[in-house]
Parts: sequence; C-alpha cells; structure tokens
Amino acid sequence: EIVLTQSPVTLSLSPGERATLSCRASQSVGSYLGWYQRKPGQAPRLLIYDASNRATGIPARFSGSGSGTDFTLTISSLEPEDFAVYYCQQRYDWPWTFGQGTKVEVK
Amino acid sequence: VQLVESGGVVVQPGGSLRLSCAASGFIFDDYSMHWVRQAPGKGLEWVSVITWDGDSTYYADSVKGRFTISRDNSKNSLYLQMNSLKTEDTALYFCAKDISAGYRYLDHWGQGTLVTVSS
Repeated sequence: EIVLTQSPVTLSLSPGERATLSCRASQSVGSYLGWYQRKPGQAPRLLIYDASNRATGIPARFSGSGSGTDFTLTISSLEPEDFAVYYCQQRYDWPWTFGQGTKVEVK
Repeated sequence: VQLVESGGVVVQPGGSLRLSCAASGFIFDDYSMHWVRQAPGKGLEWVSVITWDGDSTYYADSVKGRFTISRDNSKNSLYLQMNSLKTEDTALYFCAKDISAGYRYLDHWGQGTLVTVSS
C-alpha cells in the first residue's frame, strides 16, 4: 500500500502566521491527493482535492500544491479556528490511505 | 446533508456487529459511500467503499475477509457488517459520502459511532 508521511508531526504557530504542512508519498500518486481538517468532537472536513482544488466553502487562505510524491498544504494566515489536525489522503490506488496527521497548535 | 451512524457497542473479541448509517439531504443513490475509522489516539484509517449501485466494493487489508459493506438505496442506508472482531478494531467509525458516484474524496461525514472490542 502507499504510505503517506506527513511532516512536521506538530507545528506550533501564532494566529496570523503562515502554516506550511508537508505530505510525502512512498510512490507517485499523480495529483490524486486530498487534505482534511479534523477538530476534536467534529467530523473531518474536506479542504483540498486533487492536490490543489479547494472544496466548496473553503476559505482562500487554504491552498494546496504538489504532484507525484511531494505535496504541501499552506494556510496563508492562521485564524483561531484553524488550529486542528490535518490529514492528507491518496486515492491513486487501493487501499486508500491517510497520512498520520500534522497537529497545528497555538504557540 | 446529514449522515447519522449507529450500532456501536462494546463487544468481545471474535464477536460480530453491524453498523448502520442513515443518510438524508441528498440523492443517496447518486453517490459512492465509505466507512473510515479512527482508533483512540491514532489517525484516520480508510476502511471500505461501495459504489452507488452496490456493484463494486473495496476494503482495507486490515479488514478484508472480516468486514462487509452494503447499502439499501430504498432506505437511504449504508451498513458495515463486522465479523471476527479484534481488539485493534476498537475505533470511532465514520460514515462518509463520496463527492462522486465513483471514488474521489469524502465531502460529508457523520459524527461517528464508537466500537469497543474488549473482553
């Protein structure tokens, strides 16, 4: 199966700062990569699909880039509600896999 | 869109359980549906998918041969039959809607139902 490795494990930042999250795949997944946000007690939320497309209703401060094996989720200026755990997910091959997550916490 | 899971309980290792997911607010038989789980303190793990018509299914290696996904479009419901349960199956199980009739991404999720496998 395709292994997705996210880095860093934890990102400590202040509101207003830029967050850069990485997801690396063990083999090429083309552009078939998505990003999700997970907050405690809430259902996961789709942010980005096919590497760089924002899902419906997602603010423009969220952007995705990359292809092949290296992908990035960028939050241009952190809002208080953005502190959460973020997961990447590939749909290139079965079984679908998620990364282990990056926690964005308040510094 | 609303997805409401049910059926999570405490069950002994080796036991069986059936999870249900009641869907509303969208045309259920236009979309593929998935199950995803999250073990305590762990990340998300995709479990299974079923296409809109039920003709195709896929499973994670960790559950293949033990779990069966199914759907009843007349009842707008998704199911997960879980057999030969192991302690490592303990998790919050989410029902999730695909953004398509195929296999793309998960745009709506339920709140989850907790399955605990313990003696």
